Amino acid sequence: GAVVSQHPSWVICKSGTSVKIECRSLDFQATTMFWYRQFPKQSLMLMATSNEGSKATYEQGVEKDKFLINHASLTLSTLTVTSAHPEDSSFYICSASPRETQYFGPGTRLLVL
Amino acid sequence: SQQGEEDPQALSIQEGENATMNCSYKTSINNLQWYRQNSGRGLVHLILIRSNEREKHSGRLRVTLDTSKKSSSLLITASRAADTASYFCATDGKAGTALIFGKGTTLSVSS
Repeated sequence: GAVVSQHPSWVICKSGTSVKIECRSLDFQATTMFWYRQFPKQSLMLMATSNEGSKATYEQGVEKDKFLINHASLTLSTLTVTSAHPEDSSFYICSASPRETQYFGPGTRLLVL
Repeated sequence: SQQGEEDPQALSIQEGENATMNCSYKTSINNLQWYRQNSGRGLVHLILIRSNEREKHSGRLRVTLDTSKKSSSLLITASRAADTASYFCATDGKAGTALIFGKGTTLSVSS
């Protein structure tokens, strides 16, 4: 299957700082990538759709000014959590698809102290 | 938003037994995919079944899809301790669009 990577795999930061998470498609080009969030013992919830060369589309309830998404190339999308707070602590996962199957990155665990 | 429910929410079995998980969804779909997630890890794609397919096999996995009932099932035969994980179904309404996930079934296989 196709490979999607994420970096970093985990991050601990102080409240008020910004954190950038990268999502890369390693062996295919992706004009669209998706960002999900998963809280403990819960399922994945779609946060936003990242579109190469244009603005991201955010799901209802997701603050676009807090979760900045940049999709500057066909293989890289970044999610920046600005002014992170403890309630932003979660598991963030991206996905992309070369065809029908969606492939997921290994996820980034964010802990905001 | 959540697409539907997985049933059961948790399942505990012995090695060698079969495990069946069910998934229901609400809207029309393009295809349905099953994923496995080990604790604290990313998602591993297991199998994709298209809306015009009724059954698909992959190794010890068997997936069925009933679009009239908006439901799917995942059968793992001859389970192993390594199958212990959470299993999610996910659907998309159109190719290339985001997936909507069910709540997941946590499977525990003891040796």
